[in-house]
Amino acid sequence: EAQVTQNPRYLITVTGKKLTVTCSQNMNHEYMSWYRQDPGLGLRQIYYSMNVEVTDKGDVPEGYKVSRKEKRNFPLILESPSPNQTSLYFCASSLKVETQAFFGQGTRLTVV
Amino acid sequence: GENVEQHPSTLSVQEGDSAVIKCTYSDSASNYFPWYKQELGKRPQLIIDIRSNVGEKKDQRIAVTLNKTAKHFSLHITETQPEDSAVYFCAASWENTGKLIFGQGTTLQVKP
Repeated sequence: EAQVTQNPRYLITVTGKKLTVTCSQNMNHEYMSWYRQDPGLGLRQIYYSMNVEVTDKGDVPEGYKVSRKEKRNFPLILESPSPNQTSLYFCASSLKVETQAFFGQGTRLTVV
Repeated sequence: GENVEQHPSTLSVQEGDSAVIKCTYSDSASNYFPWYKQELGKRPQLIIDIRSNVGEKKDQRIAVTLNKTAKHFSLHITETQPEDSAVYFCAASWENTGKLIFGQGTTLQVKP
């Protein structure tokens, strides 16, 4: 089954404790991206990758890191999480930026 | 920079009425305009998209129109049904930068 898989689905952590949210797709998509969803602000792009070893900042990259060492994986890293990073996070993939995006199930992150 | 504005933020209609959601984008270089529907607790899913060389596209009860000169595009839902109740996001992509930017979302409520 074609899908984008994020883990974990839910995470509660403390300020400053490094964490990684994984994202994997099995559709051989070149384009992958991370979004955070906050009430009234829609989906804001954090980072995106147009291909392996190529990553670029989106609109809200501060406090986040990503890597794209393999085509299928695009992990999101929070080196030192802060409460303002409490949000719902979505990973998405598509063949190209101008084609249909497939979203993961979402990760609900709470930083206390 | 790249930006997408979406209106209204909330929309309530009676079952059977039509609903229209409008978006404007900042940069004429944008070439792809998808619409996503997000049901409560679910991930966003593509419902329709349009490219910059097309003015209108229909799929059963939904349609999207694009006005490149004015830099705006709209989603039209006819004969609304309770199952159309959801949050709808417009988006625009920029092939030259690789960004996919979403609007702030519209919460559509269809009253039986």
